[in-house]
Amino acid sequence: AQSVTQLDSQVPVFEEAPVELRCNYSSSVSVYLFWYVQYPNQGLQLLLKYLSGSTLVKGINGFEAEFNKSQTSFHLRKPSVHISDTAEYFCAVAGGGGSYIPTFGRGTSLIVHP
Amino acid sequence: DVKVTQSSRYLVKRTGEKVFLECVQDMDHENMFWYRQDPGLGLRLIYFSYDVKMKEKGDIPEGYSVSREKKERFSLILESASTNQTSMYLCASSRRNEQFFGPGTRLTVL
Repeated sequence: AQSVTQLDSQVPVFEEAPVELRCNYSSSVSVYLFWYVQYPNQGLQLLLKYLSGSTLVKGINGFEAEFNKSQTSFHLRKPSVHISDTAEYFCAVAGGGGSYIPTFGRGTSLIVHP
Repeated sequence: DVKVTQSSRYLVKRTGEKVFLECVQDMDHENMFWYRQDPGLGLRLIYFSYDVKMKEKGDIPEGYSVSREKKERFSLILESASTNQTSMYLCASSRRNEQFFGPGTRLTVL
């Protein structure tokens, strides 16, 4: 079985400040990890993914995430946020138990203040 | 550009009505999914399909059914809508790992 925990339901931050959104997963086998973003009244779109190889993954809009196997974490970071980054962010894990079906976390609402 | 489309962005129905939500993808993906999204609960899988005419229950299938007669189309059916089915419904398709989502249908059942 696989599961995902997003440790913060809401993260408020000022514009141009750095941000980290935390994600921990549990799985007994190798997994694939994803971060998706959902802007208001839209569907989800992929920010970045880890399948194998380098543990530092770069995505769109200046976001990056680091896969840490020993800590079973996949935290999302951005060095300087913009107002337009205000959105809901979802961490997801797939591949546990051979299943391609992802399990999503409950989401973190990033609120960027001017 | 890859695309998943959903038939309605907003829908208002009455309790007891039969509701159809349609989803179409143009990527020739084998796998298609229906989720519902509620505040604080994230995405919960209702049903998925890995081939035409094949379907599997997800985590919360009660009160829903699905139909996949063609590879590109996956329909979600609420046989008798209830107020606790008021939610955002998201359709997705995938080939293996990465999912592509539609814009969602916000359904209100009165």
